[in-house]
Amino acid sequence: AQTVTQSQPEMSVQEAETVTLSCTYDTSESNYYLFWYKQPPSRQMILVIRQEAYKQQNATENRFSVNFQKAAKSFSLKISDSQLGDTAMYFCAFMQNRDDKIIFGKGTRLHILP
Amino acid sequence: DAGVIQSPRHEVTEMGQEVTLRCKPISGHNSLFWYRQTMMRGLELLIYFNNNVPIDDSGMPEDRFSAKMPNASFSTLKIQPSEPRDSAVYFCASTLQGPGANVLTFGAGSRLTVL
Repeated sequence: AQTVTQSQPEMSVQEAETVTLSCTYDTSESNYYLFWYKQPPSRQMILVIRQEAYKQQNATENRFSVNFQKAAKSFSLKISDSQLGDTAMYFCAFMQNRDDKIIFGKGTRLHILP
Repeated sequence: DAGVIQSPRHEVTEMGQEVTLRCKPISGHNSLFWYRQTMMRGLELLIYFNNNVPIDDSGMPEDRFSAKMPNASFSTLKIQPSEPRDSAVYFCASTLQGPGANVLTFGAGSRLTVL
């Protein structure tokens, strides 16, 4: 069965710093998608970034970028120039093409300090 | 589009009562997911539907939980009878499955408290 592991339950960084959130996953498939979702205190789940496994280039969305290491089954999220509004719970998620089921890690609670 | 719409936003009920959570997915989406979020277990996939058909319900905790999707624009998650350990936030999410798609859009969640 596929699993998603986020090893950092909680992190704190100063505003404007760069922070990296870790995610590893386990699968025997070669085609799949990876996602990072953000859940601010409002509880709403918001897509941050998405990566397709067959694409070698790391996805980037403004201040958010990923380091996708397929052989190591690692998918970390880097937030540059962090802002107070980045304070949230961050979830890594995995979807394999074969059955379209999307599973989530347990999340990393990120605090951006003023 | 108004997004994925869930109701109720909050529900407080007593143990043994029936609870029904409702979801309206985004028009045109063909897959719908129900998740449960707790502090201890994180986001758990309960069940998902593809073209209104349940594909995988292996995450449904026990027979007290049931889910239906009678048409493309409506789904329900029912708990009968409810227990205090069912207290959680229940999310519905929908997506259009296919190449280049597969991004989940979530509803605002239904917070359930069972006393």
